[in-house]
Amino acid sequence: GPKVLQIPSHQIIDMGQMVTLNCDPVSNHLYFYWYKQILGQQMEFLVNFYNGKVMEKSKLFKDQFSVERPDGSYFTLKIQPTALEDSAVYFCASSSSASQNTLYFGAGTRLSVL
Amino acid sequence: GQQVQQSPASLVLQEGENAELQCNFSTSLNSMQWFYQRPGGSLVSLFYNPSGTKHSGRLTSTTVIKERRSSLHISSSQTTDSGTYLCALERNNRIFFGDGTQLVVKP
Repeated sequence: GPKVLQIPSHQIIDMGQMVTLNCDPVSNHLYFYWYKQILGQQMEFLVNFYNGKVMEKSKLFKDQFSVERPDGSYFTLKIQPTALEDSAVYFCASSSSASQNTLYFGAGTRLSVL
Repeated sequence: GQQVQQSPASLVLQEGENAELQCNFSTSLNSMQWFYQRPGGSLVSLFYNPSGTKHSGRLTSTTVIKERRSSLHISSSQTTDSGTYLCALERNNRIFFGDGTQLVVKP
């Protein structure tokens, strides 16, 4: 079936550095999402993105976070600067529309901030 | 407050037993979906089931929108079914996840 690819699968960085998480969504999908899951906790919504714009973001989407999809390439989540509490698994998802459609998830990127 | 409540929080079965997982919603919804999260963390979509009953192998999902609930039935469980089962509702361009049911199937 359709696949969402996330690169890298694991990233280790020092606190204060910048990190970019990459997501290659399903090719004909238009809606993109980022979710954050701290180990052992619930998956939490961060942001959704459509037509080059952030549609909605949660309180977890701090000012240090930004998303973009330049020229139809990777859908990225950038964190600058990173903090210890940013350590989590970040899941990217895409769907062909926001309603009445299946959401496809990537395998996640495990971010470890030291 | 929590918009998606899942029960039970955890479940231990002997291989071959059946399981019934529940998902209740506190708000109206456009659609809902069941996911399986592998022990390593990756997510697999099991059912997109906005209403009615769907079958896939040993899995059956039933959603009753009016009653704001959905269930996932696993028959003849296997050790490879172990993991976390998440339900999620979609409403107004947002996806809300439940806390999940942690299933352990013992040989």
